[in-house]
Amino acid sequence: GESVGLHLPTLSVQEGDNSIINCAYSNSASDYFIWYKQESGKGPQFIIDIRSNMDKRQGQRVTVLLNKTVKHLSLQIAATQPGDSAVYFCAESPTAGGKLIFGQGTELSVKP
Amino acid sequence: DARVTQTPRHKVTEMGQEVTMRCQPILGHNTVFWYRQTMMQGLELLAYFRNRAPLDDSGMPKDRFSAEMPDATLATLKIQPSEPRDSAVYFCASGLGDSTNEKLFFGSGTQLSVL
Repeated sequence: GESVGLHLPTLSVQEGDNSIINCAYSNSASDYFIWYKQESGKGPQFIIDIRSNMDKRQGQRVTVLLNKTVKHLSLQIAATQPGDSAVYFCAESPTAGGKLIFGQGTELSVKP
Repeated sequence: DARVTQTPRHKVTEMGQEVTMRCQPILGHNTVFWYRQTMMQGLELLAYFRNRAPLDDSGMPKDRFSAEMPDATLATLKIQPSEPRDSAVYFCASGLGDSTNEKLFFGSGTQLSVL
């Protein structure tokens, strides 16, 4: 029979625009947060991470923002490129050196 | 370029058969994680090891799944007997397990189809 899959939230942006991907996490005790990018047929790839004692961290073209008050994490990608098209996952870790628990994922589609 | 290596990349088997998936973590990494990815459940943690000792396997169906690390360069995930609902992509990831550097590096996964 037909299987029903989980429909990921999708974000569609024009090449060159900025993208913002949001994530709500569940555990207020989580100490460490991380964003991964997963392209089709590949494993998740590290993008950027942030600790709970920070509220912003910047990398190359990417910025992660953490709002602990509302348990919200966001990933901003500047000047989005077609190569950025992928599924993006946020993950949280409740303890230092502990296991990563992944969120649902958001599919980013970049139109040339 | 150091990477996590998983074999096989693809496995098709019949219900009831034993399946063994292998993972070679990055040299020097002391934590190894097994995740399962499906459309319905997303990325689920099955088990993880630190210094070859199992720390948490609460996400793993105990009656049919087993995870081991025979040595520091090999982690295995076995399913016996396999069932169609086990069809998924299984990822292995390794990390330094250091409180200052917790990011995990993922392999390319084993795509398992149980008919």
